Amino acid sequence: GIQVEQSPPDLILQEGANSTLRCNFSDSVNNLQWFHQNPWGQLINLFYIPSGTKQNGRLSATTVATERYSLLYISSSQTTDSGVYFCAVGQTHDKIIFGKGTRLHILP
Amino acid sequence: GAVVSQHPSWVICKSGTSVKIECRSLDFQATTMFWYRQFPKQSLMLMATSNEGSKATYEQGVEKDKFLINHASLTLSTLTVTSAHPEDSSFYICSAIPLRGYGYTFGSGTRLTVV
Repeated sequence: GIQVEQSPPDLILQEGANSTLRCNFSDSVNNLQWFHQNPWGQLINLFYIPSGTKQNGRLSATTVATERYSLLYISSSQTTDSGVYFCAVGQTHDKIIFGKGTRLHILP
Repeated sequence: GAVVSQHPSWVICKSGTSVKIECRSLDFQATTMFWYRQFPKQSLMLMATSNEGSKATYEQGVEKDKFLINHASLTLSTLTVTSAHPEDSSFYICSAIPLRGYGYTFGSGTRLTVV
């Protein structure tokens, strides 16, 4: 099956810093999403981005489908950005497979 | 819009008992829902695909007799953990696709503790 790798596994930053999270996948996909899991376990859908670039406030994402990777950018980090960021991909409009996530700690 | 409601949020049960978790799509119909399990500090692992009006499709290694899935209507799927044991303690979360092209929406999850 398709493999999803996220990097880095852990990231510690000072408040105000910028960060880039990466998601590599092993095969072509037609579904890619970025999620933020908060401390209570809730998965927040950040972007549905099988290709192209999207922005939402301080967050933006780019997926280069032909090169099988996606990037999530967080600018001017805030402590509330802390948590785990997951990339999930799917090859059909069916199940999606999650990467292992990037655990982000924003220090005040 | 596109809300998936999951109940209960947390449950503690005794070893050997069964627990039912409900997943509802509140403002859309979902012919397919998905059940995931997450152990502490790990990723989400797909357990099964729940299909309205038919049998669920289980991922390899998931015991279908232990994790019973029923998708009786277009807005409700249930996961029953039968004869629960402490190793079944985990975070269970469901999801559905409100509309193709807009990605998955997840419920808030159920934290199960078996004592």
